[in-house]
Amino acid sequence: DQQVKQNSPSLSVQEGRISILNCDYTNSMFDYFLWYKKYPAEGPTFLISISSIKDKNEDGRFTVFLNKSAKHLSLHIVPSQPGDSAVYFCAATGNEKLTFGTGTRLTIIP
Amino acid sequence: GAGVSQSPSNKVTEKGKDVELRCDPISGHTALYWYRQSLGQGLEFLIYFQGNSAPDKSGLPSDRFSAERTGGSVSTLTIQRTQQEDSAVYLCAILLLYGEQFFGPGTRLTVL
Repeated sequence: DQQVKQNSPSLSVQEGRISILNCDYTNSMFDYFLWYKKYPAEGPTFLISISSIKDKNEDGRFTVFLNKSAKHLSLHIVPSQPGDSAVYFCAATGNEKLTFGTGTRLTIIP
Repeated sequence: GAGVSQSPSNKVTEKGKDVELRCDPISGHTALYWYRQSLGQGLEFLIYFQGNSAPDKSGLPSDRFSAERTGGSVSTLTIQRTQQEDSAVYLCAILLLYGEQFFGPGTRLTVL
């Protein structure tokens, strides 16, 4: 039972444009959502998070949107840069355990 | 990451052998997690240690997998009688803030 789903395994975006990564969840007990970025041969690194009491959180080029009624969140990266090429994991929690999606590989085309 | 080290970084073993993976976090973090990422898959939760409480082993895929955390610091994940499907990157993480975990670089395990 995949409680956190990232339906796009890969995404290619032109440098300078907006990258939008999507994530859906099924468990209504989740109250905190996070995005992690992973480069090859490295562990995932925390990128940005959002609490269920908010619908938007912004940090520089990164914005996360949460639509609780649709159980959907998205990560916007604008403008996209070559260094953003990585695998992005969506994660959710309602306690101290994280449930991860399967990841989306983002490729920024110069 | 600087806060969590894992060893070895790579391990190649033969099917049927036992392996031990090590996680060495910086001190002061009571919560420690093990995950694995198989090829083309997301991060799969394996086990969670929280202080002196009994560990949450709900993610361990079989009884060939076990883990210990000694003295509230170093943790070892042991896989007995390894199988080819155990090949994956094994990641250790500590809890920084609610929900936010800091990951080590991982151990890539290849079972031939």
